[in-house]
Amino acid sequence: AQSVTQLGSHVSVSEGALVLLRCNYSSSVPPYLFWYVQYPNQGLQLLLKYTTGATLVKGINGFEAEFKKSETSFHLTKPSAHMSDAAEYFCAVSLSGGGADGLTFGKGTHLIIQP
Amino acid sequence: KAGVTQTPRYLIKTRGQQVTLSCSPISGHRSVSWYQQTPGQGLQFLFEYFSETQRNKGNFPGRFSGRQFSNSRSEMNVSTLELGDSALYLCASSLPGTSTDTQYFGPGTRLTVL
Repeated sequence: AQSVTQLGSHVSVSEGALVLLRCNYSSSVPPYLFWYVQYPNQGLQLLLKYTTGATLVKGINGFEAEFKKSETSFHLTKPSAHMSDAAEYFCAVSLSGGGADGLTFGKGTHLIIQP
Repeated sequence: KAGVTQTPRYLIKTRGQQVTLSCSPISGHRSVSWYQQTPGQGLQFLFEYFSETQRNKGNFPGRFSGRQFSNSRSEMNVSTLELGDSALYLCASSLPGTSTDTQYFGPGTRLTVL
């Protein structure tokens, strides 16, 4: 069985500050890891995903995440927050590269950007 | 390419009724997955269809069912609606087995059960 824990249901940062959203996973086999973003009244948009290879993954909108097997973590970062980054962020794990076997999501982190 | 479309976007039903939601995947995508999103339980996987066959299933009661047509469009049905079925239902499509295998989500159908 797989599980995902996102630390902090709400994270508030100032515009221009570093964004750090934490994600820890549990998986009995090497996982595939994803970060999705959801804006109000919209579906989920893929930010980035880790399948194999390089542990530092770059995504859209300046986000990146690092897979750390020893820490079972996949934290999401962005060097400088922008007001448009305010949204709900979800970390997810899957047994397949695309997630068609069913993504297991964390509870989500609501990112608030202070002007 | 057009994205994943879901119809209707909003739906209001009463307890005991049944409902059918529709999902049209991105052109060429053959896998369609369904998810339920609620404030309490978060995002939960319902099932996945590929080439008209259900390949994967989450932990939901038999009141939740789905099907996929030859053109990859999918429908999800919920029978005997309960208040707890009020949720945002998200559909995602993908093309498994390719280098670009990624789930693309639609905007969702907001179901309210009264």
